[in-house]
Amino acid sequence: TQLLEQSPQFLSIQEGENLTVYCNSSSVFSSLQWYRQEPGEGPVLLVTVVTGGEVKKLKRLTFQFGDARKDSSLHITAAQPGDTGLYLCAGESGAGGGNKLTFGTGTQLKVEL
Amino acid sequence: NAGVTQTPKFQVLKTGQSMTLQCAQDMNHNSMYWYRQDPGMGLRLIYYSASEGTTDKGEVPNGYNVSRLNKREFSLRLESAAPSQTSVYFCASSNDLLWASGSYEQFFGPGTRLTVL
Repeated sequence: TQLLEQSPQFLSIQEGENLTVYCNSSSVFSSLQWYRQEPGEGPVLLVTVVTGGEVKKLKRLTFQFGDARKDSSLHITAAQPGDTGLYLCAGESGAGGGNKLTFGTGTQLKVEL
Repeated sequence: NAGVTQTPKFQVLKTGQSMTLQCAQDMNHNSMYWYRQDPGMGLRLIYYSASEGTTDKGEVPNGYNVSRLNKREFSLRLESAAPSQTSVYFCASSNDLLWASGSYEQFFGPGTRLTVL
């Protein structure tokens, strides 16, 4: 079974601070996705990274896929209360498993005024 | 478009009772999935369906059955509910199961919060 460990599990910061969330595995993934989930709703895709070393930016969010495609990070600059939510990484193996995703353990982020 | 819809939103069962969770999508997606979400464990795949008429086990299938009724609908059944099945259940769909398609996004429903006493 492939495992994706996220750290930290919980993060409470003040508006304007920067933060980084990590997603680590011993397995190689063909792609890595990041989702955000708000209370009472399902996860919503933020970004997909496919190439080892790839960096993608989405406004104040920067996503990086590790060179070996085993890990990823999400960096948020100048966090805002609207960034509050559960962040989930998800790896896709592509090894005959089709589009099945392995989800990480999640990082609960709270941004306070 | 409603996207992915799930019913019911909340349910309380007694141990041993049965129930079916309903899911429908209106995006003409081939693939559909059922996950459960528990604190500190992310989302775990219960069953998935690559196309109408096919279903396969995921990571945690024990105690569950599924039916892909047609392309739109994918139901999850608990035959004899147990307290360990207390969880939030999410249905999702995506437009292709083949990873080489280049598009992997899964669209999720709002979830069903199930409590088994």
